[in-house]
Amino acid sequence: DAGVIQSPRHEVTEMGQEVTLRCKPISGHNSLFWYRQTMMRGLELLIYFNNNVPIDDSGMPEDRFSAKMPNASFSTLKIQPSEPRDSAVYFCASSRGGVGSPLHFGNGTRLTVT
Amino acid sequence: AQSVSQHNHHVILSEAASLELGCNYSYGGTVNLFWYVQYPGQHLQLLLKYFSGDPLVKGIKGFEAEFIKSKFSFNLRKPSVQWSDTAEYFCAVNPNTGNQFYFGTGTSLTVIP
Repeated sequence: DAGVIQSPRHEVTEMGQEVTLRCKPISGHNSLFWYRQTMMRGLELLIYFNNNVPIDDSGMPEDRFSAKMPNASFSTLKIQPSEPRDSAVYFCASSRGGVGSPLHFGNGTRLTVT
Repeated sequence: AQSVSQHNHHVILSEAASLELGCNYSYGGTVNLFWYVQYPGQHLQLLLKYFSGDPLVKGIKGFEAEFIKSKFSFNLRKPSVQWSDTAEYFCAVNPNTGNQFYFGTGTSLTVIP
């Protein structure tokens, strides 16, 4: 079991640039979650998918953020255009789905927007 | 709206001291409860979980947690902490109605050798 794989581990970009974060969930997991972690706001849920379908995107900050899950083994979180306040660690997590299934987190992407 | 409260933001202990981290949640229905640990620079890892049955659950590395339904609490405990327990600890609640997880703001634990 390779775990949840995220790339890149670190991303430094300039304000206004497009940023794409990638996630490969654990094989067989039906649910995928994107979280953002900052010192000020802690761990925030941005969006989650069940069987590749977005279920709740109420945590997405604004239209600059978008997420896709074209198939069961891949998801992207895109920020366009990026702003300095987007700097954070972005975590992807997956679970088998269903009530009570624990989340398995990836190593995160540390994003710095200058 | 559901919420998870972790009242201790920063805890500093000496090695061998006992630990108890508080977690309270607001949700009237059936819930599943979790504690996650995040070591410095790493991702969140599952420490233990409660679904049903015995309200005292044991996890990895000597941690345990007790679910007290009447108090809407799920406190984390360890009788004797080690320097390697230095980390951020997150409580999470998963209502039985779906996949949504609600995380607390986390408690930073520093163990002094």
